[in-house]
Amino acid sequence: EIVLTQSPGTLSLSPGERATLSCRASQDLRSTFLAWYQQKPGQAPVLLIYGVSNRATGLPDRFSGSGSGTDFTLTISRLEPEDFAVYYCQQYGSSPHTFGQGTKLEIK
Amino acid sequence: QISLQESGPALVKPTQTLTLTCTFSGFSLNSTAVGVGWVRQPPGKALEWLAVIYWNDDKRYIPSLRSSLTIAKDTSKNQVVLTMTDMDPVDTATYYCAHTMRFLTALDVWGRGTTVTVSS
Repeated sequence: EIVLTQSPGTLSLSPGERATLSCRASQDLRSTFLAWYQQKPGQAPVLLIYGVSNRATGLPDRFSGSGSGTDFTLTISRLEPEDFAVYYCQQYGSSPHTFGQGTKLEIK
Repeated sequence: QISLQESGPALVKPTQTLTLTCTFSGFSLNSTAVGVGWVRQPPGKALEWLAVIYWNDDKRYIPSLRSSLTIAKDTSKNQVVLTMTDMDPVDTATYYCAHTMRFLTALDVWGRGTTVTVSS
């Protein structure tokens, strides 16, 4: 089973700043099957990025994904108030399709 | 437009069997690569992937729950059913189903989730 470790656990930033969220896999994913989701309180997760760097339909281009092997990053170039939420990474190339434990992005 | 909706009991007793139904529209589970997955989230905790079923009836499960989980599809009703036996209070969670396409995308459209409490 591939374990995904996200860091930091909590990230405190201000609107307008740049956010960098990390997701590290316990083994080389050997594929591009890495996704990022955003979840707001009381809501279902929403897919942001799939295939490491492909934006979901309608996603603003301030969101970008990158990485390979075991290290992956979600970058939000300029934070908007609606971006403060919990973010999860997931690998879906190897069963079970594990999630990371999440990064909470909070307003500083 | 793809949509999914979970349904099932809000409360189950310990040791009982939970049956959750995901009813979907806007796609067919007969179409190549299409799948439906289940994910749960205990209160205040992270997402946990449970299982997925694909158009060709290929099924995958989380190993830690493999003996208690069953996923099945009914393409004529546009439904996917998840069954979990021997429920325990630690299984209290919101359960989500979501659409996917194997090796093409991740869980790209989610239902709103259904909350299940396990308590006597």
